[in-house]
Amino acid sequence: QQPVQSPQAVILREGEDAVINCSSSKALYSVHWYRQKHGEAPVFLMILLKGGEQKGHEKISASFNEKKQQSSLYLTASQLSYSGTYFCGTEAAGGTSYGKLTFGQGTILTVHP
Amino acid sequence: SAVISQKPSRDICQRGTSLTIQCQVDSQVTMMFWYRQQPGQSLTLIATANQGSEATYESGFVIDKFPISRPNLTFSTLTVSNMSPEDSSIYLCSGRLAGGTQYFGPGTRLLVL
Repeated sequence: QQPVQSPQAVILREGEDAVINCSSSKALYSVHWYRQKHGEAPVFLMILLKGGEQKGHEKISASFNEKKQQSSLYLTASQLSYSGTYFCGTEAAGGTSYGKLTFGQGTILTVHP
Repeated sequence: SAVISQKPSRDICQRGTSLTIQCQVDSQVTMMFWYRQQPGQSLTLIATANQGSEATYESGFVIDKFPISRPNLTFSTLTVSNMSPEDSSIYLCSGRLAGGTQYFGPGTRLLVL
């Protein structure tokens, strides 16, 4: 079953912050975050492997609550280059799901000057 | 990061024909996958490409329609057979590294007329 992302779309001014949420109905082993610009392939942002883990990448960070099967992506002091569609990909716990990612429907982020 | 290449980058095909997409990954990759992204949609896993054996297909995808080969660790092909306009999509291969990170190739944009 596909994880649910919220919000579906967000519009920001440069310098503003945003949070994108990803919620799954399944027990998760990992959560992956990607950004895709129009006409391009998804670009890897980060992977979260442990419950309660939080990671950072420049002004973009993420958290993973294993018990709630939820992850959030935090974008601070947004830049024009942050515009794109953000996808979470979830890897379910369990041997047969190893390596397989199920993607949310995506969140369209638009940053204006 | 992993270096992943695909060819062709795009193609326009007539219905009823077949197209084979090639994917080359670097030696860090341990698992290879094929995804489909229909216009304006999220990514959907087609199958896991297994080295030297039959691919593992996800629900809704069958070998007769999407035959996949992986003759060695770093190369895989996906064939879209007997194409119809509904097959118009972006087809992406991905490679998973030992730590779990998964990178995507640049994609093959397919239009079926």
